[in-house]
Amino acid sequence: AQRVTQPEKLLSVFKGAPVELKCNYSYSGSPELFWYVQYSRQRLQLLLRHISRESIKGFTADLNKGETSFHLKKPFAQEEDSAMYYCALASGGGGFKTIFGAGTRLFVKA
Amino acid sequence: DTAVSQTPKYLVTQMGNDKSIKCEQNLGHDTMYWYKQDSKKFLKIMFSYNNKELIINETVPNRFSPKSPDKAHLNLHINSLELGDSAVYFCASSPGGSDYGYTFGSGTRLTVV
Repeated sequence: AQRVTQPEKLLSVFKGAPVELKCNYSYSGSPELFWYVQYSRQRLQLLLRHISRESIKGFTADLNKGETSFHLKKPFAQEEDSAMYYCALASGGGGFKTIFGAGTRLFVKA
Repeated sequence: DTAVSQTPKYLVTQMGNDKSIKCEQNLGHDTMYWYKQDSKKFLKIMFSYNNKELIINETVPNRFSPKSPDKAHLNLHINSLELGDSAVYFCASSPGGSDYGYTFGSGTRLTVV
């Protein structure tokens, strides 16, 4: 069964500190993994796709198949990074279902 | 020029009523989805449609009936509303399957009183 686990409901860091939002997944096939972000009173936006291997707004995420993890990292947090972050898993091969983790609220303090 | 637009943004209604939420995307995407976000911010898939065809129905009560008149529209009709239906409903679209990632609408906050 597909499952996405985000163990932290809330993560609070100081501005300029490194941040890591944890995500672990369970899936028997080849997963497609994503991070989505929801800023206050805004729509959910796609932040990263693991297959793109890109850095968006200073965030990166590496798929670790051995540990079944896809942690989101940023070396220096900014106040504007405060938001709700969702890790998501889509079954590869053109499936039509994405499972979302419960979300982690990141709060960056001044 | 909003890519995925939902109407209404807010909906307050009494138990037992029937209501509809509309969703339209102008991205030319083939696939559209409905997700429910509960009070704990947990997102759960309800339906997915590909080229107007229902692909996923995630054990949603029959009171919820999606309709896709064309691939740019996916509406959600809810009969006999219950208190537990109160949530934020998000529409989303993707170019093909879920592999591409979603573009979300701004959500419809439904409150059943």
